[in-house]
Amino acid sequence: KAGVTQTPRYLIKTRGQQVTLSCSPISGHRSVSWYQQTPGQGLQFLFEYFSETQRNKGNFPGRFSGRQFSNSRSEMNVSTLELGDSALYLCASSLGVGRNSNQPQHFGDGTRLSIL
Amino acid sequence: DAKTTQPPSMDCAEGRAANLPCNHSTISGNEYVYWYRQIHSQGPQYIIHGLKNNETNEMASLIITEDRKSSTLILPHATLRDTAVYYCIVISGYSTLTFGKGTMLLVSP
Repeated sequence: KAGVTQTPRYLIKTRGQQVTLSCSPISGHRSVSWYQQTPGQGLQFLFEYFSETQRNKGNFPGRFSGRQFSNSRSEMNVSTLELGDSALYLCASSLGVGRNSNQPQHFGDGTRLSIL
Repeated sequence: DAKTTQPPSMDCAEGRAANLPCNHSTISGNEYVYWYRQIHSQGPQYIIHGLKNNETNEMASLIITEDRKSSTLILPHATLRDTAVYYCIVISGYSTLTFGKGTMLLVSP
């Protein structure tokens, strides 16, 4: 069974540009969550999508947005990039059905975004 | 979500069992204990989770104390590829994941 696939693996952008990251979840998983990981702040939750609807959102500015398609694939977009947006962006998928914790999230290897 | 405490680092000889402890004294009845690990330059990898019973899968065993205030992750035969940062987290419902500093496990030949 294929795992969570994130593309691209590495990306270099300059301040002010925008970027779109892609995530393909594990087959059958309907929930996709996005996280930002930095050495200083650790793992921070961005947002979660389930059945094409944003179900939960973290404390990030509106420059960070996402969407989910009918096949559960997801994209996240960051506009007007800032130096502080340099981070590892991780996507995680889970079955997402029912409100319980018995459904582990499985992560991709992330997209390493560097802002110059 | 309950806070967890883990030792910052541990060493283990290759082929021996690695026992990683985690304290979660404020855990509540509906919270699960999850373990993830992260190898440098890779995304976090799910290992195992449990509510109150001991659990075992192909990667590891999870031992949860009867009062659920602490747990131990056991890697029965550690290999060099098990060198990673191990995170113990406690979550309920649809809580989002938050990793603490974890335990850096170094497996040596």
